[in-house]
Amino acid sequence: DAGVIQSPRHEVTEMGQEVTLRCKPISGHDYLFWYRQTMMRGLELLIYFNNNVPIDDSGMPEDRFSAKMPNASFSTLKIQPSEPRDSAVYFCASSLEAPGRDEQYFGPGTRLTVT
Amino acid sequence: LAKTTQPISMDSYEGQEVNITCSHNNIATNDYITWYQQFPSQGPRFIIQGYKTKVTNEVASLFIPADRKSSTLSLPRVSLSDTAVYYCLVGDFGGGGNKLTFGTGTQLKVEL
Repeated sequence: DAGVIQSPRHEVTEMGQEVTLRCKPISGHDYLFWYRQTMMRGLELLIYFNNNVPIDDSGMPEDRFSAKMPNASFSTLKIQPSEPRDSAVYFCASSLEAPGRDEQYFGPGTRLTVT
Repeated sequence: LAKTTQPISMDSYEGQEVNITCSHNNIATNDYITWYQQFPSQGPRFIIQGYKTKVTNEVASLFIPADRKSSTLSLPRVSLSDTAVYYCLVGDFGGGGNKLTFGTGTQLKVEL
């Protein structure tokens, strides 16, 4: 397997624009996670899915953020409208078992810069 | 949330054993403890996971005392390639434990 795939790897956009980040989890993994990493706040769990269903989105910072998982092999994280404080590295991860009880496989991340 | 605390940085030399401790005072009964390694411009990579006592795999050992309020990642005989940031992760959604919370990370620098 190619591992968790994320696209794009880098995204530069202007404030107010819509940004869509994409993730393809490892085939057969039932759990998918979206994380955000910044120098100030470290690694934060934004949302996770189980069998394509969002289970906990309490980490999503505000209504400008939304995530979907239309099928087992694809998920998106959308920011609309984007703001400079959204600049961060966004990671997608997947796992076989329940969160915390199993190894999470992380993608390479998407570095987002909002100017 | 399980609040976790780690040393910001540690220095070592090749061939030495390195022990990195994570404090998690409000760990819940069902929470697991997992450690990850992260290199620059990469996603975190799993090292080891445990619930209590001691766990060992081919790259590291994890020591968890009886009260589980802390854990120690032990890296035997480090090399230059072990220079990275190490994170502890505490939590367990599956069994009703705390929400997954990453520690602040420990930058390990290994020198010759």
